Amino acid sequence: GEDVEQSLFLSVREGDSSVINCTYTDSSSTYLYWYKQEPGAGLQLLTYIFSNMDMKQDQRLTVLLNKKDKHLSLRIADTQTGDSAIYFCAELGVYNQGGKLIFGQGTELSVKP
Amino acid sequence: DAGVIQSPRHEVTEMGQEVTLRCKPISGHNSLFWYRQTMMRGLELLIYFNNNVPIDDSGMPEDRFSAKMPNASFSTLKIQPSEPRDSAVYFCASSPRVAGELFFGEGSRLTVL
Repeated sequence: GEDVEQSLFLSVREGDSSVINCTYTDSSSTYLYWYKQEPGAGLQLLTYIFSNMDMKQDQRLTVLLNKKDKHLSLRIADTQTGDSAIYFCAELGVYNQGGKLIFGQGTELSVKP
Repeated sequence: DAGVIQSPRHEVTEMGQEVTLRCKPISGHNSLFWYRQTMMRGLELLIYFNNNVPIDDSGMPEDRFSAKMPNASFSTLKIQPSEPRDSAVYFCASSPRVAGELFFGEGSRLTVL
């Protein structure tokens, strides 16, 4: 079945780059997403990438997609303490055009001053 | 522009009681999703609606759970009778189109004693 895996924790120093990784199993995925959840809040869409793209850059965020290995990553440049949050990877398969996103478990990013 | 509005934000109840969670999606969005988040199981999709019609309720845990969307601006998730294992944060999200870009509410934290 469909599955999305992420490591649970990542700790970095302020100013460093953070790289959050995700693997997925559904080769028919059409879109892949990164969502951010701050404490006590709902998830917020950060960025997404269409499956025919390898890379997408949006200010401090860079998304890399390796479709062959079914691997997605999110790089945050110049990480700030305000980036501390849980980051969720999600995929939308071609058979789920009804909108059913499959989410990973989330990676908790801790940014130390 | 108001986001997705959920109520109540917090609810503490006793086992066996009925619980009703409410959601007002963003105006103009035609898809609505109910998710449940726990430490053990992560983020689970319970049910989603397109144009007020339930499309996929395969994530609803059991018959104790029911969801309705009587019109485009309101949805409820009901648990009757509630059990301690239902304790979780329940999120409502809406989407302006079918695929993937979800706008989440701040969640309803349910504690069943």
